[in-house]
Amino acid sequence: KAGVTQTPRYLIKTRGQQVTLSCSPISGHRSVSWYQQTPGQGLQFLFEYFSETQRNKGNFPGRFSGRQFSNSRSEMNVSTLELGDSALYLCASSSGGAIEQYFGPGTRLTVT
Amino acid sequence: AQKITQTQPGMFVQEKEAVTLDCTYDTSDPSYGLFWYKQPSSGEMIFLIYQGSYDQQNATEGRYSLNFQKARKSANLVISASQLGDSAMYFCAMREGTRGSTLGRLYFGRGTQLTVWP
Repeated sequence: KAGVTQTPRYLIKTRGQQVTLSCSPISGHRSVSWYQQTPGQGLQFLFEYFSETQRNKGNFPGRFSGRQFSNSRSEMNVSTLELGDSALYLCASSSGGAIEQYFGPGTRLTVT
Repeated sequence: AQKITQTQPGMFVQEKEAVTLDCTYDTSDPSYGLFWYKQPSSGEMIFLIYQGSYDQQNATEGRYSLNFQKARKSANLVISASQLGDSAMYFCAMREGTRGSTLGRLYFGRGTQLTVWP
């Protein structure tokens, strides 16, 4: 069974631009969560989707948004990028009936 | 207040020795779950072990065991017989309100960098 995939793996953007990151969960998993990891703030929760509905949202500005499609794939979008948005963005999926979340390899975003 | 506290920024252990990574948590929810993840330098988070708040026995998974002390609100990870490949960052995490649900955000600690030397 294929694991969680995230595309792209690496991204370099300029301040003010917008970016879209993609996450494909493990087949059959309906829950997708997103986390931001930075050296200064550590791992912070962004949002959680289950069956196309946002179930939880972290404390991030409105520039951060996400969605989930009917095939459970999820995207997150960051508009008007700031230097502080440089981070590793991790996506995790779970079946909704299992305890653990399986993480993808992450997308490393650099904002210059 | 921090939900998860990991007080050891770095730990060193010799190969084949056991090591304990500390984790304390803070919650008023009677139903919660505690997790440990390993993050190698590649960045991917690898699930290691889970302990539910209502579980009577400490969780074990191979060389990993979780020393769960509910009254002290601690959930230390014990790695027995360390291997060179265990060198990585280790994160303790918690999910609240787990009774009847496996959804919900994870709160992570700041991590402990474990280095295993030969």
